[in-house]
Amino acid sequence: AQSVSQHNHHVILSEAASLELGCNYSYGGTVNLFWYVQYPGQHLQLLLKYFSGDPLVKGIKGFEAEFIKSKFSFNLRKPSVQWSDTAEYFCAVTRGGATNKLIFGTGTLLAVQP
Amino acid sequence: DARVTQTPRHKVTEMGQEVTMRCQPILGHNTVFWYRQTMMQGLELLAYFRNRAPLDDSGMPKDRFSAEMPDATLATLKIQPSEPRDSAVYFCASNLHTGELFFGEGSRLTVL
Repeated sequence: AQSVSQHNHHVILSEAASLELGCNYSYGGTVNLFWYVQYPGQHLQLLLKYFSGDPLVKGIKGFEAEFIKSKFSFNLRKPSVQWSDTAEYFCAVTRGGATNKLIFGTGTLLAVQP
Repeated sequence: DARVTQTPRHKVTEMGQEVTMRCQPILGHNTVFWYRQTMMQGLELLAYFRNRAPLDDSGMPKDRFSAEMPDATLATLKIQPSEPRDSAVYFCASNLHTGELFFGEGSRLTVL
C-alpha cells in the first residue's frame, strides 16, 4: 500500500535557523506531491505542490521543496524560519493519473522560538 | 472568496447518540473528501466521492459510519451510535480533478 513517511515528528528551532523536513513515499509510479501547513487551531493550507517539470518547487512564505525521484523524497526547506512558521507540516502524495486520493504523512510539529 | 464550509464547528455529545456532520464543497469542485485528525493517528482518509459517487470508503468503520452526497452542494458524514474513540476533528476537503485540495475549518467532535 502506498505510504508517506515523515521522519521528524517534532522539531524545535530558533528564529533565523534553517529548516529541512524530510518526506519519503513508497509508491514507485508517477506521483503528485504536496506540502500542507496547519497553523494552531486552523485548517490545512497548501504550501506548495509538484506535478511535473522542475524538481525544485517554490511555494508561499519562502518555502521550497525538492523532488528527488531516485530517493522517493520530497523534502521541505526554508533558509530562515520565523516565529510565525510555528505550525504542523504535512507531506502528502497522490498517484499520477486518474485517481486523486491524497495520502498524508503523520505530520511534523515545528516550534520556532523567538 | 470560495471556501469549504463545515457544520457544526464543535459538537459535544454523549456515547450512543447520533452525530451528523455536514460539508458544502467549493462550487464546481467534483471531488469531496472526509478526513479524521487525531493526535494518535494523524490525518486519516475516511472516504471520498467524485461526481457524488463514492469512490473509496475503506478507511471508514462501516458498522457505525456512513457518508453520502445527497447533491453536489452537500456531503454528510454520520456516526451512529457514537463512541468516545470517535472524538476527533473531522475535515472535509474538495478539489477539481487532481488540483489543490481545499480544506474546511473542521468539525471538532467530543463524545463523552
